[in-house]
Amino acid sequence: EPEVTQTPSHQVTQMGQEVILRCVPISNHLYFYWYRQILGQKVEFLVSFYNNEISEKSEIFDDQFSVERPDGSNFTLKIRSTKLEDSAMYFCASTELGWNTEAFFGQGTRLTVV
Amino acid sequence: RKEVEQDPGPFNVPEGATVAFNCTYSNSASQSFFWYRQDCRKEPKLLMSVYSSGNEDGRFTAQLNRASQYISLLIRDSKLSDSATYLCVVNMRGQAGTALIFGKGTTLSVSS
Repeated sequence: EPEVTQTPSHQVTQMGQEVILRCVPISNHLYFYWYRQILGQKVEFLVSFYNNEISEKSEIFDDQFSVERPDGSNFTLKIRSTKLEDSAMYFCASTELGWNTEAFFGQGTRLTVV
Repeated sequence: RKEVEQDPGPFNVPEGATVAFNCTYSNSASQSFFWYRQDCRKEPKLLMSVYSSGNEDGRFTAQLNRASQYISLLIRDSKLSDSATYLCVVNMRGQAGTALIFGKGTTLSVSS
């Protein structure tokens, strides 16, 4: 069964450092997303990406965040200068083109900012 | 203003029980509705989409009431493996590339 894969599974970084979280979406999917979940809280939308540009972003996705599809398979989330409150599980997801909005999620990257 | 609201539970039920979860959403223009399941510290996994006419998948039945902005999930004959957090999810524009709005989830614990 095709799946979304994310690396690393866990990243520990110092406050102020840059981190890049990586994702390989399902190969025939065309929309890609990043969500985050702070421990004990709900899953929150960050950004969606289609055709090499951002489709939609939330208030959380400020100038510290950026996304990129550097090649035909990877989809990355960069946090420029991490803060303690960026500590969360970050999930990548993908959907097929069209009205089907069923999103398939990767296993997540647990980011810990110390 | 909470966009998607769920009773957090926990719901503690014995094996074989029937359990129902409810969810309300605030935006009447919402187009697509889902139930996802999330195991502890794992990713959300799609359980089922929710259609206006109601739909069933084995032991799981989902209902949507657009007038009341209310979604439900019924689990019959609960199994130990059903223990998880059930997330009510809404997509306001009903198209790919737009945000899924998650509820905080309802925790189910099934015991033998």
